[in-house]
Amino acid sequence: KNQVEQSPQSLIILEGKNCTLQCNYTVSPFSNLRWYKQDTGRGPVSLTIMTFSENTKSNGRYTATLDADTKQSSLHITASQLSDSASYICVVSFSNTGKLIFGQGTTLQVKP
Amino acid sequence: DAEITQSPRHKITETGRQVTLACHQTWNHNNMFWYRQDLGHGLRLIHYSYGVQDTNKGEVSDGYSVSRSNTEDLPLTLESAASSQTSVYFCASSEGRYSDGYTFGSGTRLTVV
Repeated sequence: KNQVEQSPQSLIILEGKNCTLQCNYTVSPFSNLRWYKQDTGRGPVSLTIMTFSENTKSNGRYTATLDADTKQSSLHITASQLSDSASYICVVSFSNTGKLIFGQGTTLQVKP
Repeated sequence: DAEITQSPRHKITETGRQVTLACHQTWNHNNMFWYRQDLGHGLRLIHYSYGVQDTNKGEVSDGYSVSRSNTEDLPLTLESAASSQTSVYFCASSEGRYSDGYTFGSGTRLTVV
């Protein structure tokens, strides 16, 4: 079954600290993996997109890694800010259809 | 600036009523999608369209319909609203079928009472 699983389900950290969110997937055939940020009451916004051949991609304080062999990805947030409080969603795309499979998301709360 | 807008932002309706949610994009994207988001689930695809007059069913299409008469709009209709359709609905558009440029609207929160 094609699935995307994220952990932890929720996370609380102090402002300025780093954190890492995990994503495991069983989607095959795989095209690309995306991380989205979703603020409360808003639609998801793309952070990074990685293809099969890419191991890492950064967007400011956000760095995503991909291990296509183990089908695992992580999103590392450096020097967290209050504005990082959001849900982070891992999304995997099928290579033959372009269809997207969404994870349930990790809810991050950054406290002062 | 190009954008994708959904209306209304919030809607309360009664069981059995027909409801239409609007989605309008000015990106000139061929591909448009409707998703629903519920607690405990990732976003799930309801319907999608790859161009004018093209519509396709997603994984949770029962009870929903869409029509695509122009590039900009993909309205989602709930034929007879049910409490199980209480959810947050997101519209999205993309440039190409396998495009990385996936843009989401801000969502419509629908409550069926």
